[in-house]
Amino acid sequence: DIQMTQSPSSLSASVGDRVAITCRASQDIRNDLGWYQQKPGKAPKRLIYAASSLQSGVPSRFSGSGSGTEFTLTISSLQAEDFATYYCLQHNSYPLTFGGGTKVEIK
Amino acid sequence: EVQLVDSGGGLVQPGGSLRLSCAASGFSFSDYFMDWVRQAPGKGLEWVGRIRKKANSYTTEYAASVKGRFTISRDDSKNSLYLQMNSLKTEDTAIYYCTRGYPAALDYWGQGTLVTVSS
Repeated sequence: DIQMTQSPSSLSASVGDRVAITCRASQDIRNDLGWYQQKPGKAPKRLIYAASSLQSGVPSRFSGSGSGTEFTLTISSLQAEDFATYYCLQHNSYPLTFGGGTKVEIK
Repeated sequence: EVQLVDSGGGLVQPGGSLRLSCAASGFSFSDYFMDWVRQAPGKGLEWVGRIRKKANSYTTEYAASVKGRFTISRDDSKNSLYLQMNSLKTEDTAIYYCTRGYPAALDYWGQGTLVTVSS
């Protein structure tokens, strides 16, 4: 199975901060990676697909980068509505696997 | 508009069975693989399994934790996805989400349905 190591597991930040979350895959997954945002009591919402493509309707302050084994989700200027938990997902091979999640909290 | 509506969750005793459903609308259901993902209370996301489309013989894939106990099926005439869960364990307690798989790569998700396995 491909392990997805996500870091940090949590972070505290202020509105307007630049935030970066990293996922490392245990083997090459090309660009078969998505990033998701989940708020309490809600289903996950996809932000990024194919590692760097912005999902339709998602604000441009979200961006994704990387390929192979190292991936990053960046929020250029954190907004109040961005406080949530973020997950990466690899869909290169079975079983599909998620990162452990990053909880973004208000400083 | 793509919509996925999960249903069928509830309280079940260990060793029992439950069948979840997912009603799809707003897209050509038969053209997509479909997946189930679950989330235990306060925990992260875990992929459960996938069913391919008719052209791929409706073949399935499962996570090791559910293989042999869970069965995914679909009825394209009803735009519906199912998850039959047998021999349930307390560790299967979770919110279960259906989601659109290949080629969409888990883009849209249902609202989830809660399964509680407890005596």
